[in-house]
Amino acid sequence: QKEVEQDPGPLSVPEGAIVSLNCTYSNSAFQYFMWYRQYSRKGPELLMYTYSSGNKEDGRFTAQVDKSSKYISLFIRDSQPSDSATYLCAMSKNAGNMLTFGGGTRLMVKP
Amino acid sequence: EAQVTQNPRYLITVTGKKLTVTCSQNMNHEYMSWYRQDPGLGLRQIYYSMNVEVTDKGDVPEGYKVSRKEKRNFPLILESPSPNQTSLYFCATNRDRGDSPLHFGNGTRLTVT
Repeated sequence: QKEVEQDPGPLSVPEGAIVSLNCTYSNSAFQYFMWYRQYSRKGPELLMYTYSSGNKEDGRFTAQVDKSSKYISLFIRDSQPSDSATYLCAMSKNAGNMLTFGGGTRLMVKP
Repeated sequence: EAQVTQNPRYLITVTGKKLTVTCSQNMNHEYMSWYRQDPGLGLRQIYYSMNVEVTDKGDVPEGYKVSRKEKRNFPLILESPSPNQTSLYFCATNRDRGDSPLHFGNGTRLTVT
């Protein structure tokens, strides 16, 4: 069993929809949680960064962490075609660069 | 402009022929690392470096070598590539061990036949 599980999709939604992307994990030592966005033929870029449980909002994006359920989510409000990309969750036990990534969910937002 | 530059972007080679993928950063970051990305497996760390002359294994180091002779460069070396090393490779940097984000290059797609 992988340490971090992520539905690969693809997830296809109409423009303006609310999108929910999720990851589950098995290692309770993870404390730092991130979401990266990866456009085709590009490297991943950091979208959201949270520590421990709780919510964090940045514009149309909200990251949620539920450590008791070992479950993290990324919500995208008013989704746009430019949000079409692969979204990767990542987590680590300590602040730093030893990240464990999920397999990524491919999102397509149709005009 | 802050950049992580990888070369080449695409590489096709044959089993056993040594190759090097270069990575260079202009952000004066201490930390550099290499990842491979495979369908369904996400990104897996191959090697990382905390500073010049300091390197350590990541999750999947077998078959790879790295060196960090200068702060800005972190080449990935495949001494004897095999078909199971066909993958998309990313170099990444970050400032320190705090909550600074990883900055990724645009990837090198390697095919080993």
